[in-house]
Amino acid sequence: AQSVTQLDSQVPVFEEAPVELRCNYSSSVSVYLFWYVQYPNQGLQLLLKYLSGSTLVKGINGFEAEFNKSQTSFHLRKPSVHISDTAEYFCAVSGGFQKLVFGTGTRLLVSP
Amino acid sequence: NAGVTQTPKFQVLKTGQSMTLQCAQDMNHNSMYWYRQDPGMGLRLIYYSASEGTTDKGEVPNGYNVSRLNKREFSLRLESAAPSQTSVYFCASSEENYSNQPQHFGDGTRLSIL
Repeated sequence: AQSVTQLDSQVPVFEEAPVELRCNYSSSVSVYLFWYVQYPNQGLQLLLKYLSGSTLVKGINGFEAEFNKSQTSFHLRKPSVHISDTAEYFCAVSGGFQKLVFGTGTRLLVSP
Repeated sequence: NAGVTQTPKFQVLKTGQSMTLQCAQDMNHNSMYWYRQDPGMGLRLIYYSASEGTTDKGEVPNGYNVSRLNKREFSLRLESAAPSQTSVYFCASSEENYSNQPQHFGDGTRLSIL
């Protein structure tokens, strides 16, 4: 079975600073990896996904993530955050016959 | 651009009452899912429907039933609500039930059980 660990429950950052949200996964099969964003009182929206190919994946709103198979990680990065990036971010993994498994989420708090 | 629509958006129930949460998608997707979201626990799969006419249990199915009414609609029923079922419920859909398919989510139903 797969599992996902998001070690940081909350990440405070100042506007225009860079940010990295960490995600590590565990799986015995080849995986597909996703990052979703949830704005207050809304559902989850897909930011980006890794299915195969290039390990650097670019998503919406200037976010990108890098798949690192040896470290079983899929960290999310943005070089310069905006106030509007304040939200909760979920990493998720699937593969084989396993359904999508979500991490516990990281709340990104961007201050002026 | 409706996507996935959930009704109601908010509901308060008393312990023991029953309720059906409704979900409809207009993307012609084959697969649909119900999740619950609790603080510090991420999203957990309750039930899913790989295609019209089929349903299967997810990680936390106890206390819930589902119906795939047609290709568009997938409902979640609480027969006898319990305080432990206080949560935010999300419906999602995907083109197919393959692990490389991203899921599209509704805005959720916030359910409180007293």
